[in-house]
Amino acid sequence: NAGVTQTPKFQVLKTGQSMTLQCAQDMNHEYMSWYRQDPGMGLRLIHYSVGAGITDQGEVPNGYNVSRSTTEDFPLRLLSAAPSQTSVYFCASSYSIDRVSYEQYFGPGTRLTVT
Amino acid sequence: LAKTTQPISMDSYEGQEVNITCSHNNIATNDYITWYQQFPSQGPRFIIQGYKTKVTNEVASLFIPADRKSSTLSLPRVSLSDTAVYYCLVGDIGAGGFKTIFGAGTRLFVKA
Repeated sequence: NAGVTQTPKFQVLKTGQSMTLQCAQDMNHEYMSWYRQDPGMGLRLIHYSVGAGITDQGEVPNGYNVSRSTTEDFPLRLLSAAPSQTSVYFCASSYSIDRVSYEQYFGPGTRLTVT
Repeated sequence: LAKTTQPISMDSYEGQEVNITCSHNNIATNDYITWYQQFPSQGPRFIIQGYKTKVTNEVASLFIPADRKSSTLSLPRVSLSDTAVYYCLVGDIGAGGFKTIFGAGTRLFVKA
């Protein structure tokens, strides 16, 4: 299993540009999520999904869109990039038993710089 | 949403036991406590998870008192490779939604 994969690893955008960060998992996990991590800080939840076709907002959703058309993929779209979105983005997936979540598996991250 | 408070940093020496305590005064009934480890330029990695009392696995122990307002991660006999940031996470995935709050993390530095 590849686990959780993210592309690209690095990206530089100009203010106002849009792009999609890709995330895929091959563990058949029902839960997937996107976090951002700013320098020296913890992770903050952007959006999450509890299954295909179901998404919801996390702590810092503004400026980002998500969709979950398949179990495997959970892309994150930046609508109009701003310098404040310069960060490292992590995708994660997890499973649950009896509606209790267990460990999250994180991808390697995408380092995004907006100039 | 339950927020967490951890020490910003800790120093230790190889071979010592390290205990990192996390406060989560507003923990909800359905919340579990999870600890993650993060090395530079990598995503966090799961260490241990618990709901109450004590949980032990091959790498760590997690102590949770009866009131669940705090938890302590115990790393036995640390090595240089345990130098990392450790996050205490309080959250719930269930019918009510997906709640996860990462604390600021504790930067552990293990010295030879």
